Amino acid sequence: DIQLTQSPSFLSASVGDRVTITCRASQDISSYLAWYQQQPGKAPRYLIFAASTLQSGVPSRFSGSGSGTEFTLTISSLQPEDFATYYCQQLNAYPRTFGQGTKVEIK
Amino acid sequence: VELQQWGAGLLKPSETLSLTCAVYDGSLGDYYWSWIRQPPGKGLEWIGEIKHSGSPNYKSSLKGRVSISADTSKNQFSLKLSSVTAADTAVYYCARGFPYYYDNSGSPFAYFDYWGQGSQVTVSS
Repeated sequence: DIQLTQSPSFLSASVGDRVTITCRASQDISSYLAWYQQQPGKAPRYLIFAASTLQSGVPSRFSGSGSGTEFTLTISSLQPEDFATYYCQQLNAYPRTFGQGTKVEIK
Repeated sequence: VELQQWGAGLLKPSETLSLTCAVYDGSLGDYYWSWIRQPPGKGLEWIGEIKHSGSPNYKSSLKGRVSISADTSKNQFSLKLSSVTAADTAVYYCARGFPYYYDNSGSPFAYFDYWGQGSQVTVSS
């Protein structure tokens, strides 16, 4: 199985901060990666697929980059509604796997 | 597109978990319909998927206990997980896999664009 490791697992930040989350894959997955946001008690919603393609309606402060084994999700200016847990997911192979999550909390 | 799911929420060890997900304002079509679970305080685990016209794919560690089926006449798909234990306690989500690319062997590269509301399933004696 392809393992995805996110760092950090927990992040404390303030409104307006620039935030970067890293996702590392145990093998080359090209650009076949998606990012999801999950608010407490809610289902995840997808933000980005193909490593850098933003879903329609997702604010432009979110961006994704990377290929191969290293990927990043960046929030350029953190807003109150962005405090949530973020997951990466590889689209490349079965079984589909997710990173362990990065919880972004208010400082 | 809306996914609505339901099923029994409290099970005893060794019983069979059964959940159904109905797809509204869309057909099962050429998508990959998955079940994903999230144990309390933990991350997301993919269980398996089905495409209406194909064989299901399951996570290998659950094979033998899991079955996913689809009913195109009702626009629904279902999950059964047998011989449950406390380790199967989780919120279970149904989700649609949108295949934006296929490789040379026809294997889909799909992200989950629509999710059900989640179903809490607790296994306890």
